[in-house]
Amino acid sequence: AQSVTQPDIHITVSEGASLELRCNYSYGATPYLFWYVQSPGQGLQLLLKYFSGDTLVQGIKGFEAEFKRSQSSFNLRKPSVHWSDAAEYFCAVGDTGTASKLTFGTGTRLQVTL
Amino acid sequence: DVKVTQSSRYLVKRTGEKVFLECVQDMDHENMFWYRQDPGLGLRLIYFSYDVKMKEKGDIPEGYSVSREKKERFSLILESASTNQTSMYLCASSFLVNTEAFFGQGTRLTVV
Repeated sequence: AQSVTQPDIHITVSEGASLELRCNYSYGATPYLFWYVQSPGQGLQLLLKYFSGDTLVQGIKGFEAEFKRSQSSFNLRKPSVHWSDAAEYFCAVGDTGTASKLTFGTGTRLQVTL
Repeated sequence: DVKVTQSSRYLVKRTGEKVFLECVQDMDHENMFWYRQDPGLGLRLIYFSYDVKMKEKGDIPEGYSVSREKKERFSLILESASTNQTSMYLCASSFLVNTEAFFGQGTRLTVV
């Protein structure tokens, strides 16, 4: 069965600092990979996705992620964090048959200090 | 823009009640999903529907059922609500097989 691990439950960074959120997955085939963001009390918004092709994926709000097959990782990065980036971030892997049938990690809560 | 609308943001129900959570999408998507979100557990798939009247169990279907009579609407049913079903419920939809899911705002259900 597929699984997703987000090893960091909570991360605090200063505004303007760089950010990297870790995600490791377990999946037999080439995975469909996603990062979603959830602001307090809200639903999930898609930041970016990887289906195939270039392993460095650009998303919205200045985020990017790199797919590394050898490490089974799909880490999310942002060069300079803004206070409005404070939220919970979820990594997810999609099923081979239906990419949008997702298995989620447990999430990483990002706090941004001014 | 895709819109996935959940009928209630907050619900409070009593133990043993039959509860309906409604979700409507306006983009003619084939696939619809119900997830449950709990702190420290992330989101877990309850049920999935890939067409009208078609459904498939997810990872945690026990205590839940679903109904999809029309393509745009997907209902989650708690036959007899229990306190351990207190949670945030998120509906999602997607088009065909290899596209991303779009999520509703969520319904926070409290069972007392």
